[in-house]
Amino acid sequence: NAGVTQTPKFQVLKTGQSMTLQCAQDMNHNSMYWYRQDPGMGLRLIYYSASEGTTDKGEVPNGYNVSRLNKREFSLRLESAAPSQTSVYFCASRPRDDRGPRKPNEKLFFGSGTQLSVL
Amino acid sequence: EDQVTQSPEALRLQEGESSSLNCSYTVSGLRGLFWYRQDPGKGPEFLFTLYSAGEEKEKERLKATLTKKESFLHITAPKPEDSATYLCAVQAGMETSGSRLTFGEGTQLTVNP
Repeated sequence: NAGVTQTPKFQVLKTGQSMTLQCAQDMNHNSMYWYRQDPGMGLRLIYYSASEGTTDKGEVPNGYNVSRLNKREFSLRLESAAPSQTSVYFCASRPRDDRGPRKPNEKLFFGSGTQLSVL
Repeated sequence: EDQVTQSPEALRLQEGESSSLNCSYTVSGLRGLFWYRQDPGKGPEFLFTLYSAGEEKEKERLKATLTKKESFLHITAPKPEDSATYLCAVQAGMETSGSRLTFGEGTQLTVNP
């Protein structure tokens, strides 16, 4: 199994350009997530998808859109890139939690990241 | 607002020199505290989940403990391959349909041979 695969690994954009970050998982997980990681900020949730067909905003959704194409794929789109979106982006997935709300299963499986620079 | 603070920011140890990393949290209704390891250029890798004060988990040279205000990641006789950034995260509040983890900024650990 490949786990969580992200493409591309590196990308440089000019301000105003658009692009889509791709993510696919082969573990049959229900939930998928997009995080960004910035120095001094920790990982912050952009959007998540609890199951196929649903998406919800996270902590920092402005400037981004997502698509849960099917159970395997969850893409992140920057419509008009800004320098503030320079970051490392991580996709993650999580299996279905059958242990109930009192013991959340937050064993996230992360991809290797996309380093994005917006000039 | 949930807050997670990790200390120190960076830690250098000699091989075999045991130490502890700290994760302090302020949340409303802790549901779980999670430790991850992140190697340079890679995504975080899950280590432990702790659910209630007094709980402990161990894996090789690592032991995680939890109190009502903080968690410690104890590293016993570390080796150079333990060098990484260790991230702490908490989940709190009402159950939601998605993961709402709040991550700390991490502690960058370097173990010199």
